[in-house]
Amino acid sequence: QVQLVQSGAEVKKPGSSVKVSCKASGGTFSSYAISWVRQAPGQGLEWMGGIIPIFGTANYAQKFQGRVTITADESTSTAYMELSSLRSEDTAVYYCARAPYHCSGGSCYYYYFDYWGQGTLVTVSS
Amino acid sequence: EIVMTQSPATLSVSPGERATLSCRASQSVSSNLAWYQQKPGQAPRLLIYGASTRATGIPARFSGSGSGTEFTLTISSLQSEDFAVYYCQQYNNWPPTFGPGTKVDIK
Repeated sequence: QVQLVQSGAEVKKPGSSVKVSCKASGGTFSSYAISWVRQAPGQGLEWMGGIIPIFGTANYAQKFQGRVTITADESTSTAYMELSSLRSEDTAVYYCARAPYHCSGGSCYYYYFDYWGQGTLVTVSS
Repeated sequence: EIVMTQSPATLSVSPGERATLSCRASQSVSSNLAWYQQKPGQAPRLLIYGASTRATGIPARFSGSGSGTEFTLTISSLQSEDFAVYYCQQYNNWPPTFGPGTKVDIK
């Protein structure tokens, strides 16, 4: 069955960066998009961005443009999310999630998120 | 971006009763709407996509309806394992957006 396994919890200082990994198994990695969704303590879900590994091009939510970088390594079926210039408000659980997608007119669109990683807690504290 | 709202914020229901959750989009999302269930300390789980199609392994007591801007998730007879937070998400427009969630707790 499809599994997304994320790297472990991180504690970071304000102003630093964090890189979280998401290794997929049990499916065809390149046939789906991988998105990153975060959840601050006690809050809802927030889409940050995503990537279609076969194309290698990432798309980001405007809120995170310039601060987040999403990459994918097809050879290891692993996606990565790096968030820089960390501040206390970035303390959250970060999830990777798989999504079917379609492309039309030169743009690609993600559908729903059918499988999720277990989440990675990132704590930003001085 | 499309703003999703959900009501009520909290729904108190007795086991065995029916629960009806609402989700509204700020503009039409056609039927490109999904529902997720999240329990404390767990990742969200896909319940419904395409507004009304149950995901693999989801019990028949979960059903979704609606199109355009108004959507409903119905749990026909609440089981103990159904007490959780439920989120809707649209994927008709970029970027994908989530509602704030409805918490279903025990009455």
